[in-house]
Amino acid sequence: GAVVSQHPSRVICKSGTSVKIECRSLDFQATTMFWYRQFPKKSLMLMATSNEGSKATYEQGVEKDKFLINHASLTLSTLTVTSAHPEDSSFYICSAYLAGGPVRTDTQYFGPGTRLTVL
Amino acid sequence: DQQVKQNSPSLSVQEGRISILNCDYTNSMFDYFLWYKKYPAEGPTFLISISSIKDKNEDGRFTVFLNKSAKHLSLHIVPSQPGDSAVYFCAAGRDKIIFGKGTRLHILP
Repeated sequence: GAVVSQHPSRVICKSGTSVKIECRSLDFQATTMFWYRQFPKKSLMLMATSNEGSKATYEQGVEKDKFLINHASLTLSTLTVTSAHPEDSSFYICSAYLAGGPVRTDTQYFGPGTRLTVL
Repeated sequence: DQQVKQNSPSLSVQEGRISILNCDYTNSMFDYFLWYKKYPAEGPTFLISISSIKDKNEDGRFTVFLNKSAKHLSLHIVPSQPGDSAVYFCAAGRDKIIFGKGTRLHILP
């Protein structure tokens, strides 16, 4: 089946630094990737929709300048948390759609997630 | 405003019995509904889905039921197995999905 990887799986950084998280579709091309954040005891929150070759669409309340998303190719999207603070500590998950198929929820494949800890 | 609600944060079921996970939604425009299973520190994995034109979908031990008039769906797992212990997320949407808060299922030996 389709595989989505994320790198790194865990990252610890100091407050004020920037962290880049990669999301790759390993055996298929994804025109659309989604970035989610999971808060403790809460649901997955959709942060933004990343379309290859265009600007990401951010959900309400998500700071565009803080969470930079780049979808440079059909197999790679990156999320950069800029000037990270302890409150940014969370579990970040990406998902990818198969290119060419309908943008339907049943063709969405999730990455394993990245645990970010900001000290 | 929570559009997808899972009102039970946790559920314990004896191994071999039926597990029933419930989910309610508020948006009548949703036309696709899914269940995801998530183990700690892993991304959610797709389990089963159902479109709004159906009221039941079955896949092995997993069956999802949809009651559109009540805006309610449920996931039945039978028989429950130890490996089913996980957090289950209900999700609904049209072009993008919205997740519920999840229900932690414990399968007791």
